[in-house]
Amino acid sequence: DAKTTQPNSMESNEEEPVHLPCNHSTISGTDYIHWYRQLPSQGPEYVIHGLTSNVNNRMASLAIAEDRKSSTLILHRATLRDAAVYYCILRRNAGNMLTFGGGTRLMVKP
Amino acid sequence: KAGVTQTPRYLIKTRGQQVTLSCSPISGHRSVSWYQQTPGQGLQFLFEYFSETQRNKGNFPGRFSGRQFSNSRSEMNVSTLELGDSALYLCASRIPDSPLHFGNGTRLTVT
Repeated sequence: DAKTTQPNSMESNEEEPVHLPCNHSTISGTDYIHWYRQLPSQGPEYVIHGLTSNVNNRMASLAIAEDRKSSTLILHRATLRDAAVYYCILRRNAGNMLTFGGGTRLMVKP
Repeated sequence: KAGVTQTPRYLIKTRGQQVTLSCSPISGHRSVSWYQQTPGQGLQFLFEYFSETQRNKGNFPGRFSGRQFSNSRSEMNVSTLELGDSALYLCASRIPDSPLHFGNGTRLTVT
């Protein structure tokens, strides 16, 4: 399975934008890029996903590089409640077998 | 709509015992999968069920098993517990072509 690489941790100030990077240089043409986050004492929560084009939803935006070898999750205005571990995952087929990496621990300072 | 419900929330067992964990998916979701989360290994896929059939299995020993009932509820069983089985066990459900919805997990401690 194709792997993703993310920084172990990042810090942000409250109400500022946050750009969380993810490298996936071995991505295949059929891999979707998914982002989940895990808040303390909770299960992972879906954030956003995309294939080739940039995507926006109420939680975040996903910017995908033209060669698809990297992507960036953008939180437009970080809040304290956004402090979590963010996972970038490549999902190849329609099944439920997600391969989670170590994720990025986002800390938000007031 | 109620989310994915896992019971119990916490469990303490001793080595050699067996344990059964339960997962009730979101209403209408027929696909259920299980994950193990530990500090050392992170989140690892255990298995996936759809309409009472196991579709995928992760790289875990045969002591880990699961099943799904006709109402889509699922259980996973771990026999002959080892200290290393201490973990957060997460269940997720989905409908086709949609993201996974996770429960908040069962924290199992093996002493």
